[in-house]
Amino acid sequence: EIVLTQSPGILSLSPGERATLSCRASQSVSSSYLAWYQQAPGQAPRLLIYGASSRATGIPDRFSGSGSGTDFTLTISRLEPEDFAVYYCQQYSSSPPALTFGGGTKVEIK
Amino acid sequence: QVQLVESGGGVVQPGRSLRLSCAASGLTFSSHGMHWVRQAPGKGLEWVAVISYDGSNQYYGDSVKGRFTISRDNSKNTLYLQMNSLRTEDTAVYSCAIAGSGHSYVYYWGQGTLVTVSS
Repeated sequence: EIVLTQSPGILSLSPGERATLSCRASQSVSSSYLAWYQQAPGQAPRLLIYGASSRATGIPDRFSGSGSGTDFTLTISRLEPEDFAVYYCQQYSSSPPALTFGGGTKVEIK
Repeated sequence: QVQLVESGGGVVQPGRSLRLSCAASGLTFSSHGMHWVRQAPGKGLEWVAVISYDGSNQYYGDSVKGRFTISRDNSKNTLYLQMNSLRTEDTAVYSCAIAGSGHSYVYYWGQGTLVTVSS
């Protein structure tokens, strides 16, 4: 089973700053099968990125995903007030089909 | 506009059963695979199960395998999760979700229904 480790656990930043979130896998993950989600307090998660770097419909271009193999990154170029939330990475294994989530990174206002 | 509305949550004793439903609208339900994902209070996300668009294939997370059953009724645009032999560690908000391409991610999430397993 692939384990996803997200770091840091908490990221304290100010609006307008750049956020860099890391997701490290215990084994190599196909880039096609790495996604990122945002969960605001009290809300359902929202898909941000799929296929490691493809933005979902309606996601602003300040969000970008990159990486391959075991190391993936979500970057928010300039934090807006609505971006302070928890972010999860997720990978897909095909045999058998299963999703695995990372533990999350909370981006909080400094 | 896509809507996923879960129901059926509540308080249940350990060892008992519960069935969750998820009513879908605003999409061609029968064309989409569907996931159940749960989130324990104050914790992260845990994948529970996935079912193919036509119900012919189902897969489960290790923690629920053999106890939970995912199913769907495409004539009613409804997804189900039958939960048997419930344990205290099953306490969570359960959300249904539309599967992305190849079931490899979650495209859209419902708001969820809370299941509390307690004596």
